Amino acid sequence: EADIYQTPRYLVIGTGKKITLECSQTMGHDKMYWYQQDPGMELHLIHYSYGVNSTEKGDLSSESTVSRIRTEHFPLTLESARPSHTSQYLCASSERGDAKNIQYFGAGTRLSVL
Amino acid sequence: RKEVEQDPGPFNVPEGATVAFNCTYSNSASQSFFWYRQDCRKEPKLLMSVYSSGNEDGRFTAQLNRASQYISLLIRDSKLSDSATYLCVVTPHTGGFKTIFGAGTRLFVKA
Repeated sequence: EADIYQTPRYLVIGTGKKITLECSQTMGHDKMYWYQQDPGMELHLIHYSYGVNSTEKGDLSSESTVSRIRTEHFPLTLESARPSHTSQYLCASSERGDAKNIQYFGAGTRLSVL
Repeated sequence: RKEVEQDPGPFNVPEGATVAFNCTYSNSASQSFFWYRQDCRKEPKLLMSVYSSGNEDGRFTAQLNRASQYISLLIRDSKLSDSATYLCVVTPHTGGFKTIFGAGTRLFVKA
C-alpha cells in the first residue's frame, strides 16, 4: 500500500473562502503531483514538483497554487473558492530514481463549493 | 489527437467471460507503459506494468506492440470485483515527470 495521505477527504465550503488541501507522503519520494478529476472524466495534471522548492504548473490551467517546503508535504491552496472549483483533487508521488515514473495516489479530496 | 486513447466503453460482460481492452499512444519515443485500475470514486492504483514480451499476473495479461503503438489488457474469467475503470498509462521519457493517463475504459461484470 502506498503511504500517501490527503486531508480532508471531503470538503463543502462557501464561495470566496480560502482553502488548503493537504498531501503528505512518507515514502521519501522527490516527485509529487496534483491532479483534478471530475466524475467519470480523465485525470488532469494541475501542478507538479521535482523536489523541495520546485513547483511547476501542469497541463490544465488552475487558479490554485502549491508549495514544497518539505519533501513529504505538498499542499494545494485556493485563495478564493468558486463553484467551478468543485471536483476531486488527487495527490500522487513517485520516486526520482524510478525510470518508469510509477505514481502512487492518495485517496483524494472531494471538494464542493457552494 | 490525444496522446493516449482508449475506448471509453462501457464493456458489460457476464461473470466468467474474457474481455480485452486496447489503448493506442501517439509518441513513438514512449518508454514505460502501465495499466491502472480506478474504482468508482476512488484513487487510481497500479494494476501492472506492460512489456513487449508480455506480462501475466493471474487472470490478467498485458501486452505491448511498439510497432503499432498499442497496449492491450486481457482479463480472463471475469469476476464481479473486476468492475472498475481501467486506465492506460504511458511515460514518454525515461525518468521524466510527465506521465500520460488515458481517460479509461469502464468495465461492468454482471452475475
